[in-house]
Amino acid sequence: NAGVMQNPRHLVRRRGQEARLRCSPMKGHSHVYWYRQLPEEGLKFMVYLQKENIIDESGMPKERFSAEFPKEGPSILRIQQVVRGDSAAYFCASSPPTGSPQHFGDGTRLSIL
Amino acid sequence: RKEVEQDPGPFNVPEGATVAFNCTYSNSASQSFFWYRQDCRKEPKLLMSVYSSGNEDGRFTAQLNRASQYISLLIRDSKLSDSATYLCVVNIGGGSNYKLTFGKGTLLTVNP
Repeated sequence: NAGVMQNPRHLVRRRGQEARLRCSPMKGHSHVYWYRQLPEEGLKFMVYLQKENIIDESGMPKERFSAEFPKEGPSILRIQQVVRGDSAAYFCASSPPTGSPQHFGDGTRLSIL
Repeated sequence: RKEVEQDPGPFNVPEGATVAFNCTYSNSASQSFFWYRQDCRKEPKLLMSVYSSGNEDGRFTAQLNRASQYISLLIRDSKLSDSATYLCVVNIGGGSNYKLTFGKGTLLTVNP
């Protein structure tokens, strides 16, 4: 019974490059959430998606960041033209249609050189 | 005022001690409440949901006071393995918006 799968675990990018983070939800879960944890900070909500729909993206920066959860395949969080301030741990969670409980993946640690 | 506010900590306690964490939330329309734990910047793991009637899971007891907008977690007979950051988490979204809002966390270290 696989849990939430995120990859890669660690990602290093140079300023100006693109970062793609992937998340496969738990089996039977149709809702995906992305959260970001900056160094020494708490987790902050970024975006909430269901299959092919963005439900709430109020926590996602308006520029350079985008997210999708296609009909087939994992959810993708995409960061274009990365900057040093994007360095953080990005956690994906999934839940059943009831919204609870949310289970988290191991996270992707993004480092920007 | 922060949406979810926790004791800043850190807490250092000996094995066997009882420790209590407190948390307040600002949005009275909040619907669901949880305690998660996070070890050394790993992924948050659900410890327990919190219900209005209060609930217990082994050594852990959670309480919710909706009138005061206050949540607590009590750990009895603490173990070394309880050392972690404890996160107070609230679903403020309302309706079918299930996004979670996290407190900054309280670090607990249980010492031998």
